[in-house]
Amino acid sequence: AQRVTQPEKLLSVFKGAPVELKCNYSYSGSPELFWYVQYSRQRLQLLLRHISRESIKGFTADLNKGETSFHLKKPFAQEEDSAMYYCALRGYSGYSTLTFGKGTMLLVSP
Amino acid sequence: DTGVSQNPRHKITKRGQNVTFRCDPISEHNRLYWYRQTLGQGPEFLTYFQNEAQLEKSRLLSDRFSAERPKGSFSTLEIQRTEQGDSAMYLCASSSDNSGNTIYFGEGSWLTVV
Repeated sequence: AQRVTQPEKLLSVFKGAPVELKCNYSYSGSPELFWYVQYSRQRLQLLLRHISRESIKGFTADLNKGETSFHLKKPFAQEEDSAMYYCALRGYSGYSTLTFGKGTMLLVSP
Repeated sequence: DTGVSQNPRHKITKRGQNVTFRCDPISEHNRLYWYRQTLGQGPEFLTYFQNEAQLEKSRLLSDRFSAERPKGSFSTLEIQRTEQGDSAMYLCASSSDNSGNTIYFGEGSWLTVV
């Protein structure tokens, strides 16, 4: 069975502080990992995916297969980063469906 | 293209009534997904279509739930004999092989069963 764990429901930081949103997964194979973000009153949207190895809005995430983690990081948080963040996994035993974590609310205060 | 479109956006219904939600995916996206999200939880997979074929169903999808995608374009999700536990946000998403299979979500349909 595949599972995604986001241990923090809420992460509160001050503007300019570093941010790390944790994500651990369980999957017997090589999954594809994603971070989705949902800003207030907006739809869920893709932030980044591990195979792209890119930085979006200053966020990066590295897949660590040894620790089965895919933590999301940003060196200097901005107020506009305040949102709900979901880590998701896509395995290859099914039909491209995503398994989501419960999400972490990031609040960036001025 | 305005993305994945869902309606109605909100529905309040009495327990025992039937409700139907519609999803219009992004044009030419051949894959369509339904998810359910309750407060404090991430989206949970319900069912998946490739074109008009329903290829996967979660065990969350009880026999009161039925989804269709008759022409491989829009999809409907019907819940019969609604229960209070059905109260949730129902999310539709779509993707295509040409877009790297990135999954795009709609804004969701809120269901409240009273």
